[in-house]
Parts: sequence; C-alpha cells; structure tokens
Amino acid sequence: GENVEQHPSTLSVQEGDSAVIKCTYSDSASNYFPWYKQELGKRPQLIIDIRSNVGEKKDQRIAVTLNKTAKHFSLHITETQPEDSAVYFCAASMNDYKLSFGAGTTVTVRA
Amino acid sequence: GAVVSQHPSRVICKSGTSVKIECRSLDFQATTMFWYRQFPKKSLMLMATSNEGSKATYEQGVEKDKFLINHASLTLSTLTVTSAHPEDSSFYICSGQERYEQYFGPGTRLTVT
Repeated sequence: GENVEQHPSTLSVQEGDSAVIKCTYSDSASNYFPWYKQELGKRPQLIIDIRSNVGEKKDQRIAVTLNKTAKHFSLHITETQPEDSAVYFCAASMNDYKLSFGAGTTVTVRA
Repeated sequence: GAVVSQHPSRVICKSGTSVKIECRSLDFQATTMFWYRQFPKKSLMLMATSNEGSKATYEQGVEKDKFLINHASLTLSTLTVTSAHPEDSSFYICSGQERYEQYFGPGTRLTVT
C-alpha cells in the first residue's frame, strides 16, 4: 500500500516568516494530494490540494508543489500568522479514494 | 463545503459494554464513508471503508467483529465498538466522500473506564 512520510514533525517559525512542510509518497499511481489543517480536538480541514496533472497550486498565502518524478510534494505557508498554528497533515490517494496520511507536522507561529 | 456530523461528541463507557457512534452527511449523499482512529498527537489511521448497502472493507489489523460498521443509507454510517476495553479509548473520526473530496466529522472522543 501507499506509504507517506512527512517532515518535519514539529516546526516553529516567527510570525511573518514562511513555513515549509515536505512529504514523500511511495506509490507512483497516487494522483491526488490534499493537505489538512487540524486544530486541537477539532476535525481536519482541507486547506489545499493538488492533482498529478499540475506541478503547483496557490491559494493566497498557501501553495503546494508536486514533483511526480521524485514522488514528493510540499506545503508552503507565507507570511505566517498565529492562527496558522495547528497540526498539518499531508495525504495521498489514487483516484480520490482511500487517503494515506503523513504523520503530521505541528506548526507553532511565535508572535 | 459539505457538512458531516458525528454523535456523540464524547462518550464514557465501562469496560465490556458496547458503544455506537453515528456519522451523518447533512447536505450531501455519501456513497462512501471512512472511519479513522486518531491517538493523541498522532496521525489518522484508516480503520475501514464503508459503502452504502454493502459490507465494510477493513484495513489490515482492524478486527471486524470488534468494530462493527453499518452503512444503511447514503447519509448515515455507524460504528459500534463492541465489548470495549480501555485500549479502545481514542478519538474516532468519520468522513464522507463527495465527488473528489473527503469531508470530516468533528470526531468522537471515546473513553473506556
């Protein structure tokens, strides 16, 4: 099955700086890569996703890049704000079916 | 986006009893629903995939007789933890799939004493 690795496990950034989280996947057939933000005790919320037919996608301060050859994808958050503090999960799936999640990255934005 | 609800949000039960958790898609029909388990500060672990009108598909290592899943309609799936033990204490989250996206429920915190 699919194996998704996520790094780093924790990330502390100064408010206003950028945060980058990286994930790798093992199954070259995976073609859908969503990112979720989860606050403590809450449900995961989809923040951005990318499909294998594109290399980059941006939504305001959030961007995701995908390198199919290397089988890795990254989340970039620019101009970080305290409300960006949360746990972020990457995931991968084939044909939008079962999601395989990374282990998560706890992001702390220091004011 | 689509909304998924779960009930109850928190439940405490005694060891040996059974607990049922409901997952509902409120404004869409979810042909497929997923059940996850999440330990503190850990990732979501897929337990099973539930398709309306058919038997659930369980992930390796998940006991189907212990975690009973029923998906009787396009808007409701239930997870029953049978003969619960303290090690079953966890955060259980469901999700409903609409087209290409999964929408997660708010989760159920189960504590077995």
